Amino acid sequence: AQSVTQLDSQVPVFEEAPVELRCNYSSSVSVYLFWYVQYPNQGLQLLLKYLSGSTLVKGINGFEAEFNKSQTSFHLRKPSVHISDTAEYFCAVSDRGTYKYIFGTGTRLKVLA
Amino acid sequence: SQTIHQWPATLVQPVGSPLSLECTVEGTSNPNLYWYRQAAGRGLQLLFYSVGIGQISSEVPQNLSASRPQDRQFILSSKKLLLSDSGFYLCAWSAPPVAEKLFFGSGTQLSVL
Repeated sequence: AQSVTQLDSQVPVFEEAPVELRCNYSSSVSVYLFWYVQYPNQGLQLLLKYLSGSTLVKGINGFEAEFNKSQTSFHLRKPSVHISDTAEYFCAVSDRGTYKYIFGTGTRLKVLA
Repeated sequence: SQTIHQWPATLVQPVGSPLSLECTVEGTSNPNLYWYRQAAGRGLQLLFYSVGIGQISSEVPQNLSASRPQDRQFILSSKKLLLSDSGFYLCAWSAPPVAEKLFFGSGTQLSVL
């Protein structure tokens, strides 16, 4: 069965520090991988996606993620965070065959001044 | 351009009453359609998804059901609501053949009292 695990429910980090938000998935089939961001009182916005090709994908707002097939991971990184990055981040997996699209439980990133 | 409409925005229903939430997509054909429930700390829980008229995949056994009577219409229903059905319900669509980015409706806040 397909599943997505975001181990960290909350991540506090100081402004201008690097951050990594972890995402692991399990699936018996080929998948596409995504990160979405939800700012306070707003809808979900696509941050980046991995469909094929280079395992390092770059997204909006300076975020990037690396697909690691052997570790079934898709961790999100940013070298220097800003206060405005405070939001909830969701990892998602889409089944290439059935279009089933599931999300992790989310990680709340809180950037501290 | 494509748009998604979801209504109502808020709904207060007594326990045991029926439910019908509607979602329609404009500007595209044969979209993949999804119903999610978002709860704090639990991310987005996939409830149902559909890849075509009359084709519904159910992910969570519960007293909710979904139907797709027309290509761009997706309905979430219940015959008798439970207190545990309270939550924020989101409809979403993606364009086949690749389930890439999801486009979300504005959501329905359901309170069952």
